[in-house]
Amino acid sequence: RKEVEQDPGPFNVPEGATVAFNCTYSNSASQSFFWYRQDCRKEPKLLMSVYSSGNEDGRFTAQLNRASQYISLLIRDSKLSDSATYLCVVNAGNQFYFGTGTSLTVIP
Amino acid sequence: EAEVAQSPRYKITEKSQAVAFWCDPISGHATLYWYRQILGQGPELLVQFQDESVVDDSQLPKDRFSAERLKGVDSTLKIQPAELGDSAMYLCASSTFPSWLAGEPTDTQYFGPGTRLTVL
Repeated sequence: RKEVEQDPGPFNVPEGATVAFNCTYSNSASQSFFWYRQDCRKEPKLLMSVYSSGNEDGRFTAQLNRASQYISLLIRDSKLSDSATYLCVVNAGNQFYFGTGTSLTVIP
Repeated sequence: EAEVAQSPRYKITEKSQAVAFWCDPISGHATLYWYRQILGQGPELLVQFQDESVVDDSQLPKDRFSAERLKGVDSTLKIQPAELGDSAMYLCASSTFPSWLAGEPTDTQYFGPGTRLTVL
């Protein structure tokens, strides 16, 4: 079983839509959680850390459910510029584990 | 804003040749990671350093790959000989030693721009 699993998509949504991604992790001792954004042929860039209480940054909301071992990312009012791959990352035992990424395309 | 530096950005080589990649982490970041990413997949850890020491190299193909971080700052990843299957993006990342702030961990990784390797 993979440490981190994501639905690869692709998700194709119209501009202005709300879209949600989920990610599950297998290690219950995981300590910290992140969402990264990766544009085609570029490096991953931190979108947001995911805190126990949930956190919001503008149109982006991240939530953590430790009991069910999943992390979610909600994007509201999607923009064309949100088109990218979103990577779920989990730190367990001081090692980072990556999901395969979820592809999002926002359509005009 | 401090960044992770990598060079070269692109490398084309023939199989059986040797290649080397360089990474300079963000100043003060004790932990350095080398990842390999194949198109359509998430990054795969090759080696992790804590200062100059290797913490994890369990996924590093040691018959052809080597990595060093002699002074605990910049690092070099080498492949010799390169094979066709090594074509990928090689990413370097760095992070501070895990710590806690207001009850939450602060151990974010920051990535360099990567080296895209093509083996012909």
